[in-house]
Amino acid sequence: EIVLTQSPGTLSLSPGERATLSCRASQSVSSSYLAWYQQKPGQAPRLLIYGASSRATGIPDRFSGSGSGTDFTLTISRLEPEDFAVYYCQQYGSSGTFGQGTKVEIK
Amino acid sequence: QVQLVQSGAEVKKPGSSVKVSCKASGGTFSSYTISWVRQAPGQGLEWMGRIIPILGIANYAQKFQGRVTITADKSTSTAYMELSSLRSEDTAVYYCAAMVTSGFDYWGQGTLVTVSS
Repeated sequence: EIVLTQSPGTLSLSPGERATLSCRASQSVSSSYLAWYQQKPGQAPRLLIYGASSRATGIPDRFSGSGSGTDFTLTISRLEPEDFAVYYCQQYGSSGTFGQGTKVEIK
Repeated sequence: QVQLVQSGAEVKKPGSSVKVSCKASGGTFSSYTISWVRQAPGQGLEWMGRIIPILGIANYAQKFQGRVTITADKSTSTAYMELSSLRSEDTAVYYCAAMVTSGFDYWGQGTLVTVSS
């Protein structure tokens, strides 16, 4: 099974700053099946990015995804107060494995 | 717009089984994939398996093989996840999620399953 490793575990940033989150796969992942989710306490995850770089419906354009093969990145260009949350990458091709998550916290 | 509504919280004894339902409305149930994802307290997301209702075919994460069964009833647009031989480590919120366009774009509200003697 493909293992996804996210880094860093925690990112401490201020509103307005840029956030760069990494997701590395143990073997090549089809870009068509790489997604990113945001989760806030007590809520279900929300799809942000699918197909490595396509924004889901209603997702602001400050969120962008990139990458291919084994290395993928989620970038939040300017953090808004509502963006402080936990972010997960996922490959949903052969199965549905998630990374362990990156917490973006207020500095 | 797809909505997924899950059954209520459960408290189970170790060694027993639990069956959680996920009723879909909106969209065409048979045409999308339903997955089950769980989240233990304070932990990350863990994919358990999925089913394609139109085919009735399910596949499971290696970790849960032999202990989880995912089914779907097309007549009621409801998916089910049954987990057997429960232990305390299975205490978690269980989510169903639908892949309608791409990615898991719709999620249920979650069902808390507590395993305790």
